[in-house]
Amino acid sequence: EDQVTQSPEALRLQEGESSSLNCSYTVSGLRGLFWYRQDPGKGPEFLFTLYSAGEEKEKERLKATLTKKESFLHITAPKPEDSATYLCAVRGGGSNYKLTFGKGTLLTVNP
Amino acid sequence: DGGITQSPKYLFRKEGQNVTLSCEQNLNHDAMYWYRQDPGQGLRLIYYSQIVNDFQKGDIAEGYSVSREKKESFPLTVTSAQKNPTAFYLCASSIHIEAFFGQGTRLTVV
Repeated sequence: EDQVTQSPEALRLQEGESSSLNCSYTVSGLRGLFWYRQDPGKGPEFLFTLYSAGEEKEKERLKATLTKKESFLHITAPKPEDSATYLCAVRGGGSNYKLTFGKGTLLTVNP
Repeated sequence: DGGITQSPKYLFRKEGQNVTLSCEQNLNHDAMYWYRQDPGQGLRLIYYSQIVNDFQKGDIAEGYSVSREKKESFPLTVTSAQKNPTAFYLCASSIHIEAFFGQGTRLTVV
């Protein structure tokens, strides 16, 4: 069974204070690892797909990296508008269309 | 605009009643999904459909039913057999492996 664990559960940063969120996973035959951003009361917004170890993707202040066991979402010089819950999900080779999600990391960036 | 539309945004149901949540997409995606989100828990898969007239149970299908008569539509019915239906329900669709989500329906049992 695919499993995803995200840490920390919550992270509070000052504006401009860079940090990283962790996503550890176990999956049979990774087809893709996904990062989403979710604002309160809204649906998750797609950010990145990572397919294989060593891959990196960037978008504005966010950079996602992938190893064989975990993924990191690095946030450089965050702004208050980056405050949200960040979700990690995986799709394994045996699960066809199913995504398995972690519980998310609630990021708060104070001005 | 292309996207996934869920309606209504808020829904109140009396105990013992069935209720249907709407999900429509105009992205021409083949696969559609329903997830449930509860505080402190990850998204959990209720049902998914890869093609029209076909769907499979997810991890928590008990008390729910779906239909897929059209490619664009994947309604979810929460039946009176669902013991704890109050939650945030999310519909998603995909054509490759990434899934894209609607804005959700918050269901409250009163």
